[in-house]
Amino acid sequence: ILNVEQSPQSLHVQEGDSTNFTCSFPSSNFYALHWYRWETAKSPEALFVMTLNGDEKKKGRISATLNTKEGYSYLYIKGSQPEDSATYLCASSNSGYALNFGKGTSLLVTP
Amino acid sequence: DTGVSQDPRHKITKRGQNVTFRCDPISEHNRLYWYRQTLGQGPEFLTYFQNEAQLEKSRLLSDRFSAERPKGSFSTLEIQRTEQGDSAMYLCASSAVLSGRTDTQYFGPGTRLTVL
Repeated sequence: ILNVEQSPQSLHVQEGDSTNFTCSFPSSNFYALHWYRWETAKSPEALFVMTLNGDEKKKGRISATLNTKEGYSYLYIKGSQPEDSATYLCASSNSGYALNFGKGTSLLVTP
Repeated sequence: DTGVSQDPRHKITKRGQNVTFRCDPISEHNRLYWYRQTLGQGPEFLTYFQNEAQLEKSRLLSDRFSAERPKGSFSTLEIQRTEQGDSAMYLCASSAVLSGRTDTQYFGPGTRLTVL
């Protein structure tokens, strides 16, 4: 079982601040890295899937990078908005089917 | 395109009772997955199906847990003789496996189980 670690555990920022989270994972037998956003009482929303070392993905104000050699991924949010408040989960896979999740980073953005 | 749906959203049961949860995947998704999330932890993989075949079930938590996907569409997860430690959020996801591409798993809202 892969051990995925996320930091920080929680984060509180002001509207307009930019922020970033870290996901670390064992780099051996790496297959893919997934990022999700999960708001309370809703379904986890898929943000990105990355597979190649050096991958960078962007969706609006959110972007992510991947380093498979050292086993980490960063998620960046530019100009945070209150609607960005959620738990951000990363998950790695070495099988192509089972996702191994970290515990998540809980983000609160206040106006 | 409707998303993954799960039923019920909440279930309260007494210890020792059997419970069954249903998951309806996105139509035409051939893979379906079950995960469990306990308090303070990330989701934990349990099992998955490709069409009607259950290809991985070694990570089901005990022999009290079983899953089916009889016609390759919806799936059920059953827990027999529930224990208080089974209290958790049970998540279902589905994906479309495309040759040469890593598939995104799309999650439902989950079923929250409370065992008294």
